[in-house]
Amino acid sequence: ETGVTQSPTHLIKTRGQQVTLRCSSQSGHNTVSWYQQALGQGPQFIFQYYREEENGRGNFPPRFSGLQFPNYSSELNVNALELDDSALYLCASSSKLAGAETQYFGPGTRLLVL
Amino acid sequence: RKEVEQDPGPFNVPEGATVAFNCTYSNSASQSFFWYRQDCRKEPKLLMSVYSSGNEDGRFTAQLNRASQYISLLIRDSKLSDSATYLCVVKGDTGNQFYFGTGTSLTVIP
Repeated sequence: ETGVTQSPTHLIKTRGQQVTLRCSSQSGHNTVSWYQQALGQGPQFIFQYYREEENGRGNFPPRFSGLQFPNYSSELNVNALELDDSALYLCASSSKLAGAETQYFGPGTRLLVL
Repeated sequence: RKEVEQDPGPFNVPEGATVAFNCTYSNSASQSFFWYRQDCRKEPKLLMSVYSSGNEDGRFTAQLNRASQYISLLIRDSKLSDSATYLCVVKGDTGNQFYFGTGTSLTVIP
């Protein structure tokens, strides 16, 4: 096991609602990245947090936002949910002190938007 | 053009076969390369990093060709437990972004 945890495991929301997903990084890791994985696709990078600051962002609208806390855990917030937001949301923790910055994934949160 | 492209397969091979996957990437300045394995409805798990000199881990061999911008994964003596989707991952030179391919599906048949 990677030691990366995510909650909740599953979630059902309706269009227009807001959702908060949580991630606890592996011990010793200071960086958290969030990904969206639609069915049959590879994970798509949403953003990365390092030392509580956003440290890179993919092609996602501003209604996708995040936070990182002093203990390096992180939240992903999505406002004004759309049907296309239905996906597996993965967080990955890594350490910028570890050279190639290998990422280790949590089990994911499956979000269904109705 | 996608940052990382993979043949989605599926590859259906008998036990004991050797199978190879290729992946191409578009940014010649990319810095780091990985293969991840993803089982159905599970998270991706690191299979191996890919180094310029090539590297081997048991039955798995990964190679990087920077000139042609492709990465390969060779699996020898396939086992039933190798059945999964294999994701090629490239870290760009800026923005801390990791780019994933769509994955290649492998089924090893008894």
